[in-house]
Amino acid sequence: EAQVTQNPRYLITVTGKKLTVTCSQNMNHEYMSWYRQDPGLGLRQIYYSMNVEVTDKGDVPEGYKVSRKEKRNFPLILESPSPNQTSLYFCASSPWGASQETQYFGPGTRLLVL
Amino acid sequence: SQKIEQNSEALNIQEGKTATLTCNYTNYSPAYLQWYRQDPGRGPVFLLLIRENEKEKRKERLKVTFDTTLKQSLFHITASQPADSATYLCARPSGGYQKVTFGTGTKLQVIP
Repeated sequence: EAQVTQNPRYLITVTGKKLTVTCSQNMNHEYMSWYRQDPGLGLRQIYYSMNVEVTDKGDVPEGYKVSRKEKRNFPLILESPSPNQTSLYFCASSPWGASQETQYFGPGTRLLVL
Repeated sequence: SQKIEQNSEALNIQEGKTATLTCNYTNYSPAYLQWYRQDPGRGPVFLLLIRENEKEKRKERLKVTFDTTLKQSLFHITASQPADSATYLCARPSGGYQKVTFGTGTKLQVIP
C-alpha cells in the first residue's frame, strides 16, 4: 500500500531534550516536506526537500533541522525542543514539486514539550 | 509573502443542500490552487487541483472555480451528506513550485 508513515505518533518530552520524528514514504517520490499545524494558524511549512541531499527552508524553520540521505526518508530533528514547538506535525510527499501534483500526507505526530 | 485566506472558520448546512466554501488569495494569481479534506486527527487528503487557465473543475459531487479577477476560488459540494463533514483546506504555491501555503481551513458540518 502506497503510504507515508511517521513515528512516533504521539510524543511527550521535556524542554531541551533532543528528539527525532521519522518520516518514510514507499512511493519513490522526489519531494518531501514537513508541516506543523496549530489552531488558528493552519498548516505551515517547516522544511522541504526536492531530492536526496537537497533541502530548503519553509516558512517556519527556526528550531528545526532535517536531512535527506535516502530518497524514502526525511527525518525532522528538534535539537533543543521548547514549549512553543508543541504542535501537530505532518510529513508529506509528492512525485515532483508540491504544486503540480498532489501531496500525500502522513498520519501526523502530536508533540507535547513540557 | 503569498497569503491565502479562508474567511469562514465554520459552516453548518442541512443535508442535501449545496455547501460553498471560499478561498481568497493576495498578490499575484497562483498557477493553480489545491483543495484538501482533513478529518480530525488525520492528515489532509487531496481532493482537486484547478489551474489558473481553468474556470471550473468537477469531480463527482465536488466543483471548484477559479476567478482571477476576484482573486478567489469557490469549492462546492452538491447534495451534501453528513459524511462530508470535515475541515476543508485550500493551498497555493508560494516562492516557486516547491513551497506551499495553506489556508486555515473551513470546518463544514452537514446536519442530517
